[in-house]
Amino acid sequence: DAKTTQPTSMDCAEGRAANLPCNHSTISGNEYVYWYRQIHSQGPQYIIHGLKNNETNEMASLIITEDRKSSTLILPHATLRDTAVYYCIVVSQGGSEKLVFGKGTKLTVNP
Amino acid sequence: DAGITQSPRYKITETGRQVTLMCHQTWSHSYMFWYRQDLGHGLRLIYYSAAADITDKGEVPDGYVVSRSKTENFPLTLESATRSQTSVYFCASKPGLAGGEQYFGPGTRLTVT
Repeated sequence: DAKTTQPTSMDCAEGRAANLPCNHSTISGNEYVYWYRQIHSQGPQYIIHGLKNNETNEMASLIITEDRKSSTLILPHATLRDTAVYYCIVVSQGGSEKLVFGKGTKLTVNP
Repeated sequence: DAGITQSPRYKITETGRQVTLMCHQTWSHSYMFWYRQDLGHGLRLIYYSAAADITDKGEVPDGYVVSRSKTENFPLTLESATRSQTSVYFCASKPGLAGGEQYFGPGTRLTVT
């Protein structure tokens, strides 16, 4: 079973920041937090990942709490094209790194 | 074109028929994966492969067969299709390096009647 808990759905206004939370209270020391998204009918797309430090790339920022039990994915200026299901996944490093997808958060960006 | 492709994109078949879904990647990634996605279940791993001639079961392997004779191809065969195998199938690949960053194909929508 997925090791993460995410809200079922969220809404965000276009141009505003979208903050998507994820709870992973049972995460262990060698596990990373990965975020993917899936736009309708397309394959999932990797967004970002982190271990304990905050991370930023061209798509998003990832904030991980100091105790690593939760994290937040931030899309700084959401657009209509960011409407998708967002998955937070905990991954053990050093092997096949199989992904276990939960149900994710359906983010709807409204005009 | 570079990337990961799946064929066919859409397939309708009858119960009991054998059907093969193709996956091809041009990056020479070591790992390849097959997932299925059903309404209400998210993506579930069927089979994966760490390299040519090395395959292993995922969460839901029953009714499926895979092979990997070449690094770039990872076909998925339904030996005798059932209605419960109606789903969207996604193939993915990743380099042999440590990390959970996988690259997904566009998917194959399979309907078993």
